[in-house]
Amino acid sequence: SQTIHQWPATLVQPVGSPLSLECTVEGTSNPNLYWYRQAAGRGLQLLFYSVGIGQISSEVPQNLSASRPQDRQFILSSKKLLLSDSGFYLCAWSPTGGWANVLTFGAGSRLTVL
Amino acid sequence: QQPVQSPQAVILREGEDAVINCSSSKALYSVHWYRQKHGEAPVFLMILLKGGEQKGHDKISASFNEKKQQSSLYLTASQLSYSGTYFCGTPYSSASKIIFGSGTRLSIRP
Repeated sequence: SQTIHQWPATLVQPVGSPLSLECTVEGTSNPNLYWYRQAAGRGLQLLFYSVGIGQISSEVPQNLSASRPQDRQFILSSKKLLLSDSGFYLCAWSPTGGWANVLTFGAGSRLTVL
Repeated sequence: QQPVQSPQAVILREGEDAVINCSSSKALYSVHWYRQKHGEAPVFLMILLKGGEQKGHDKISASFNEKKQQSSLYLTASQLSYSGTYFCGTPYSSASKIIFGSGTRLSIRP
């Protein structure tokens, strides 16, 4: 069966510090991978999605970037965090092909920027 | 250009029914429904792929009106466990790009 791992679960970072969130998927190959952000009490904002290694689509012009160095690994990064980067970051995967791309989410990473 | 959900919040007593609507200004090719408990990740409920399709799971069901570009989620005889925020999601411009509505917060009281 497929599983998705996301870490760290919680982190507190000062403004201006770098960020790296990592996500890996097991039990499948060539998945679609996603990063969403959820501000407190708000909806799910799509940040990046990837349909293959090295193929990253950016949805939000931010100081964030994403990389997919391996088929089942997705990394979210920032060189300098802003206060507005605080939130709940969710990695997700889906099978490829067709319109039935059901998302399975990781447990999330809660980021507080001080 | 995200889907529009209504209402934004609902408060019910246990046993009451609720309807959550999701509409789009663009053509809908499929509609996903997820539920998120406080502090947790969203969990998939169901997906509708065809206009006119209806699905159900336990006492939660959904319909998809492709022509009207909308979907509705029906919660019947609500239970305390139904509390959470419900999101509809849909592919936008490509099958891989899944965009979510702003969510509907459902609170169930004993």
